Amino acid sequence: GAGVSQSPRYKVAKRGRDVALRCDSISGHVTLYWYRQTLGQGSEVLTYSQSDAQRDKSGRPSGRFSAERPERSVSTLKIQRTEQGDSAVYLCASSFDRVLYTIYFGEGSWLTVV
Amino acid sequence: AQSVAQPEDQVNVAEGNPLTVKCTYSVSGNPYLFWYVQYPNRGLQFLLKYITGDNLVKGSYGFEAEFNKSQTSFHLKKPSALVSDSALYFCAVRVPPFLMGYQKVTFGTGTKLQVIP
Repeated sequence: GAGVSQSPRYKVAKRGRDVALRCDSISGHVTLYWYRQTLGQGSEVLTYSQSDAQRDKSGRPSGRFSAERPERSVSTLKIQRTEQGDSAVYLCASSFDRVLYTIYFGEGSWLTVV
Repeated sequence: AQSVAQPEDQVNVAEGNPLTVKCTYSVSGNPYLFWYVQYPNRGLQFLLKYITGDNLVKGSYGFEAEFNKSQTSFHLKKPSALVSDSALYFCAVRVPPFLMGYQKVTFGTGTKLQVIP
């Protein structure tokens, strides 16, 4: 199908190690988001990026979290020096534009930091 | 700041009965409202959205939601619940870009729907 796909689906990382999570969004989608979902706390946006024919705009990363967008439909979320509190589901999502279009989500990457 | 509240952590309903999952919001300006469903070990799936127009919005799998501006609510409803509707439901609000620097989406904490056979 032509949905949003994420890899790896499951990742176990030792505390202090760096982790990279990949997202392949839907072709043609402009805006790409990364969310973190934890039990009982809903989902919080980590970063977003927008791209058009002229430039990329990357969302402001938060501390140890950063996102790269080497191709228009590919994004990599990098978490440096993982902590146990980083254990969560990381959801990638994309949409056609910023306004009216629905956000489509991937199935998530489940990260466990031990 | 925008926020979304889902006051119930869990809703239990008997199969065949009508169901309601509550959502209230707080934003500056006109909200764009969404409902997503998450099945076990799956990502979020879009159910329906309200942008403008008719306050009653119909979505996937027989779900509908009613936008009530005076009560700042967007409750999710279904006339007759199915066991397969059991899942986690998230309400979300987006703020038009002219009010924010980017298309920020705020989610509620989720409501677990349990449909009892």
